[in-house]
Amino acid sequence: QTVVTQEPSFSVSPGGTVTLTCGLTSGSVSTRSSPNWYQQTPGQAPRTLLYRTNIRSSGVPDRFSGSIIGNKAALTITGAQADDESDYYCVLYMGSGIWVFGGGTKLTVL
Amino acid sequence: QVQLQESGPGLVEPSETLSLMCTVSGGSISSNYWSWIRQPPGKGLEWIGDVYNSGSANYNPSLESRVTISVDVSKNQFSLKLRSVTAADTAVYYCARHFYDSTAFYWGPFDYWGQGTLVTVSS
Repeated sequence: QTVVTQEPSFSVSPGGTVTLTCGLTSGSVSTRSSPNWYQQTPGQAPRTLLYRTNIRSSGVPDRFSGSIIGNKAALTITGAQADDESDYYCVLYMGSGIWVFGGGTKLTVL
Repeated sequence: QVQLQESGPGLVEPSETLSLMCTVSGGSISSNYWSWIRQPPGKGLEWIGDVYNSGSANYNPSLESRVTISVDVSKNQFSLKLRSVTAADTAVYYCARHFYDSTAFYWGPFDYWGQGTLVTVSS
């Protein structure tokens, strides 16, 4: 069974840039995987950041951007702020109506 | 503004069936897909499955043998049934709208979420 992989944790300095990735244990992520990215803080429902690789959801600042880098989807945060400290999840379309979430990345801003 | 609200028992006994309902307000359930997603305490998100207004459903292969998701368009509700539960099914269960453009055949995001409901499996 193919698993969606994310870095378990990442750290960035305030004002810095960080790129989180979303890959597959078997195969490559492409735009056909329709990568979505979600941000979640404790006790809250996830918030949509990006969908279809790089389309920002309404109200999401342009310092959040999405791309495909190599064989993975990527979420880049430029100019990280303290309130970006959250868990970040990607989800990929596997075909046949099936979606799979990655395990999430805990981002620390310090 | 579309709003979703989960409802159902917060405690289910092992081997029993977990049943949840999601009520949609502020929009029609007659378009888009409608999803269930869960999150065990301290862990990540897991897509359970989704349903279209026709009743056609897709399921996570790892749960498919135990899951049924159905829709009631007249009541603007959709539901989840998960059979033969164990402690591993203890989680916050979210319902969510999964945007789907049926004319362009493309998927948008899981754009509207319920607040989530904690279901504990225990005797």
